[in-house]
Amino acid sequence: KQEVTQIPAALSVPEGENLVLNCSFTDSAIYNLQWFRQDPGKGLTSLLLIQSSQREQTSGRLNASLDKSSGRSTLYIAASQPGDSATYLCAVRPSNFGNEKLTFGTGTRLTIIP
Amino acid sequence: GAVVSQHPSRVICKSGTSVKIECRSLDFQATTMFWYRQFPKQSLMLMATSNEGSKATYEQGVEKDKFLINHASLTLSTLTVTSAHPEDSSFYICSARGDRNNSPLHFGNGTRLTVT
Repeated sequence: KQEVTQIPAALSVPEGENLVLNCSFTDSAIYNLQWFRQDPGKGLTSLLLIQSSQREQTSGRLNASLDKSSGRSTLYIAASQPGDSATYLCAVRPSNFGNEKLTFGTGTRLTIIP
Repeated sequence: GAVVSQHPSRVICKSGTSVKIECRSLDFQATTMFWYRQFPKQSLMLMATSNEGSKATYEQGVEKDKFLINHASLTLSTLTVTSAHPEDSSFYICSARGDRNNSPLHFGNGTRLTVT
């Protein structure tokens, strides 16, 4: 059974700093990995999707990496801003054909201190 | 970009009544939509997979007669919580995938259900 862990559960950093969020998964047989952010009381916003054959994806100040063999992904946020404060979730999709059931991590609650 | 609209965003109902939640893909067709439930400070739990034109696939432990899912078109799936009880109070979120197998999932803004 796939298990996805995100450490730390909460993180506070001063505005302007670069930071890294971690995601680890136990079963490396994944199709892709997706990073989301969730604001309080809201749904999920997709940030980056990395296919299993890819090593990283970038969008603006965000960079996500994937090391499938070691079961790890990181989300790097450059020059953090107060608007980046949210809960960040990673989710993996299994590789077996037709299985679209995502397994989510429990998230990292990020607070950017102005 | 792909947009998923979920309605209503909040609903308060009395015990024993039924509540319908709608999930629409606004600018793409979604043959498959997913319904999740999220408890406070916890991650998302998949409840069921909704397939256009066929019966939904429910996860273990989810009562299909209580959580009725109808995916009548390529852009609309509905979740009806029947005979709601206070323990059904939760945050329900739908998602849909684009028409390519490697497309990302896009999520609605969720529905906060409170059963009194």
